[in-house]
Parts: sequence; C-alpha cells; structure tokens
Amino acid sequence: DAGVIQSPRHEVTEMGQEVTLRCKPISGHNSLFWYRQTMMRGLELLIYFNNNVPIDDSGMPEDRFSAKMPNASFSTLKIQPSEPRDSAVYFCASSPNRGSGNTIYFGEGSWLTVV
Amino acid sequence: AQSVTQLDSQVPVFEEAPVELRCNYSSSVSVYLFWYVQYPNQGLQLLLKYLSGSTLVKGINGFEAEFNKSQTSFHLRKPSVHISDTAEYFCAVCRNSGNTPLVFGKGTRLSVIA
Repeated sequence: DAGVIQSPRHEVTEMGQEVTLRCKPISGHNSLFWYRQTMMRGLELLIYFNNNVPIDDSGMPEDRFSAKMPNASFSTLKIQPSEPRDSAVYFCASSPNRGSGNTIYFGEGSWLTVV
Repeated sequence: AQSVTQLDSQVPVFEEAPVELRCNYSSSVSVYLFWYVQYPNQGLQLLLKYLSGSTLVKGINGFEAEFNKSQTSFHLRKPSVHISDTAEYFCAVCRNSGNTPLVFGKGTRLSVIA
C-alpha cells in the first residue's frame, strides 16, 4: 500500500515567495495532520483535519500560513510570503480517525529552505 | 494539556550494549503513549504504543517500553543495540479520549558506536 505522499521533497525559495506543500494521505484515513520540525522547537503540530474539516489550527504560526483539504485525498499547506525562519521540515501524516490511540503514519517530509 | 519530556537529547552507546531512552509525561487525565523512530532523511515510523493492559509493551526491532503510571514514565529499552539503530527517537502522548492528536517530545538522538 502507498504511504503518505508529500511533494516537493526539497524546495529552496527566496524570501517573499509563495510556497505550496502538498500531501496525499493514505486511502481510507480520515484524519490528516501537518507538523513542522526544527532543531530548536522539535516537532510542532500546525493543524489537523478530520473528514476534510479543520479541527484545530492553533499551531499555525501566523497568518502567512494557511492549509486546505478540498477532498479526502489531498491537502495543501501554503506559506505566503515565505521568510527564512520558515525553513524547516514539514511533515504530513494521516490516521484512520482523529488519532487517539490510533497510529499516525508520516510522509517523508518536505524540506524547505528559504533564503 | 499533555506534555512530554525526553530527558536526554543525545545518547551515545557502543554496539551490542543495552540502552534506555527516557521519557516522562505530564497529564491530568489518562493517556496513550507512543515511541516513534526517525532514520536520517526520513519520516517518523511507529516503534510501539501503550493503550491499555500489560504495562510492558514490545515493539519492532527488539525494542520494548514500560509504562509506569506512578512515575509518569514510558522509558524505551533495547538489550543489545546495532549500528542500524542509530536514529532519532520520539516519545509522544495523547489523551485516551476525545480524539486529540499526538504531542511529541523533542527527541533523543541515539548514536551507536562500532
């Protein structure tokens, strides 16, 4: 079975540019999570969806960040405009339900560098 | 809210030696506990999880962890490590009800030395 698929795997962009990260969850999973990983802050939950509906976006750092899930098989995380401090690895993950007690499956991450 | 503290940021250990990676959690309600492993340049994958029942949980790759409610700990152990165990290990917690997502610790980097 295909796992969680993220694209792009690596992106280098200039400050001020728009960045769009994409995620395809595992088929049949109805919860989707976006995490950000940095050396300083570790793994932070940015936002999660259940049945395509955003449940909690309190982890989104500021208005420059937005996330959408237009259907059960696709989600995007957008940063506009991007800043050097947004450089991080962004992980998408999915689980069969909202995650309590259920395994969360991670993609391989999108490595973002903003210069 | 739940939180996780991984007491060691880095643990070097010689090959075939035992290892223990420490994890303590904080929560006012009952929780589920998880250990994930991240190999270089990869995503996280589940090692093991504690939901209920026996407090000793066995996972993949020879790892096990013990849930200790009185000490609010969930330490990860392996009796004999291999070079291939070199990775970052994350402890995570969530409430056992209400469908809340995982909260992760900051990770412990295990380096196995030949």
